[in-house]
Amino acid sequence: EVQLVESGGGLVQPGGSLRVSCEASGFIFSDHYMDWVRQAPGKGLEWVGRIRKKANSYTTEYAASVRGRFTISRDDSKNSLFLHMNSLKIDDTAVYFCARVQSGSDFHLDYWGQGTLVTVSS
Amino acid sequence: DIQMTQSPSSLSASVGDRVTITCRASQDINTRLAWYQQRPGRAPKALIYAASTLESGIPSKFSGSGSGTDFTLTITGLQPEDFATYYCQQYKSYPITIGQGTRLEIK
Repeated sequence: EVQLVESGGGLVQPGGSLRVSCEASGFIFSDHYMDWVRQAPGKGLEWVGRIRKKANSYTTEYAASVRGRFTISRDDSKNSLFLHMNSLKIDDTAVYFCARVQSGSDFHLDYWGQGTLVTVSS
Repeated sequence: DIQMTQSPSSLSASVGDRVTITCRASQDINTRLAWYQQRPGRAPKALIYAASTLESGIPSKFSGSGSGTDFTLTITGLQPEDFATYYCQQYKSYPITIGQGTRLEIK
């Protein structure tokens, strides 16, 4: 069974940093691109970014709203995905979901974790 | 960036009804479109990808159609568990963009 479990959320002050993690199980993690998607309280979903797999040099893509502040990384030996967030703003307050990108020729998000809440407030 | 616009933003229907949700892309995305369901307090769940392909384990009451810029999600025989928010997402190009959501409520 595919499982994605996020952790590391919490309260952080504006301008601060935080790293959230996603632990994967039930599939070959290294075979998949992985995404982060966030949802501000009471709002819709916003794609944050993507990291490709080793065969694609672990390259990344980001939404304009987080580019230069957020960095996505992964540790395939630990089946783990990370989102490093710097220079946090109040508008970054959201539940952060990790999601698996389907392998093959289609790239939709086929499995999602339950999310971890990041609150940016003074 | 490709803008995804869903309509309606909210929809009231009764158990047993058939509903259709529309998603329009601001430029041609071929069939690079997925639909997701999100129940309150839960993670999104993939329903359909490639505009019309049902995700594994999703019942055939859900169907998708369209290509280019105009897409629809149809749900037949509404059950209480179907009342949720539905999102379309394009993955034709970066940045990946997601519609604002359609909230399906019980009438």
